[in-house]
Amino acid sequence: NAGVMQNPRHLVRRRGQEARLRCSPMKGHSHVYWYRQLPEEGLKFMVYLQKENIIDESGMPKERFSAEFPKEGPSILRIQQVVRGDSAAYFCASSPPVQRANYGYTFGSGTRLTVV
Amino acid sequence: AQSVTQLDSHVSVSEGTPVLLRCNYSSSYSPSLFWYVQHPNKGLQLLLKYTSAATLVKGINGFEAEFKKSETSFHLTKPSAHMSDAAEYFCVVSGLRTSGTYKYIFGTGTRLKVLA
Repeated sequence: NAGVMQNPRHLVRRRGQEARLRCSPMKGHSHVYWYRQLPEEGLKFMVYLQKENIIDESGMPKERFSAEFPKEGPSILRIQQVVRGDSAAYFCASSPPVQRANYGYTFGSGTRLTVV
Repeated sequence: AQSVTQLDSHVSVSEGTPVLLRCNYSSSYSPSLFWYVQHPNKGLQLLLKYTSAATLVKGINGFEAEFKKSETSFHLTKPSAHMSDAAEYFCVVSGLRTSGTYKYIFGTGTRLKVLA
């Protein structure tokens, strides 16, 4: 039973390019969450998605960032026209369809984005 | 609204001595609380969780935490530190959105250093 799979593990982009980060949730999980971790900081919530729906995007920057979780395939976090400040580790987590406060998320190993 | 405060950004202990990582929370209802560990360049691993059952929660790798409602605390302890415990530790409270779904609120993390 594979856990949350994120790819790529490391991604290098030049300023102005696009970055696409992928997340496949655990089998049976239909809720996906994206978090960003800047160097020397904690995790900041970005967006919460269910299949084909964005439930909460209150942590997403207003420009250049978007996320989707299609009916088929992984969730995608897309960053357009990347800037150096986007360099961070991006973590995806998933949880089962029935949400409970006490259910721990399962996290992926993250994608480390470096903008040069 | 829910929030969580980790009182120490860095903690250093000698190998074989006790570990104490402090966490205080704020919640308008009975919270669910978690501790996660992140080893360098790795993802997050769930150490333990409190879900309104026993107030003393035992986790993996010899860690435990005690929920104290009167002190609004959920400190993480381990009797004897091991070199492999050196990592970043995050305290998390599960918060309720207005939509009725739950989200994690992360503390800023405590970096544990274990000295030989």
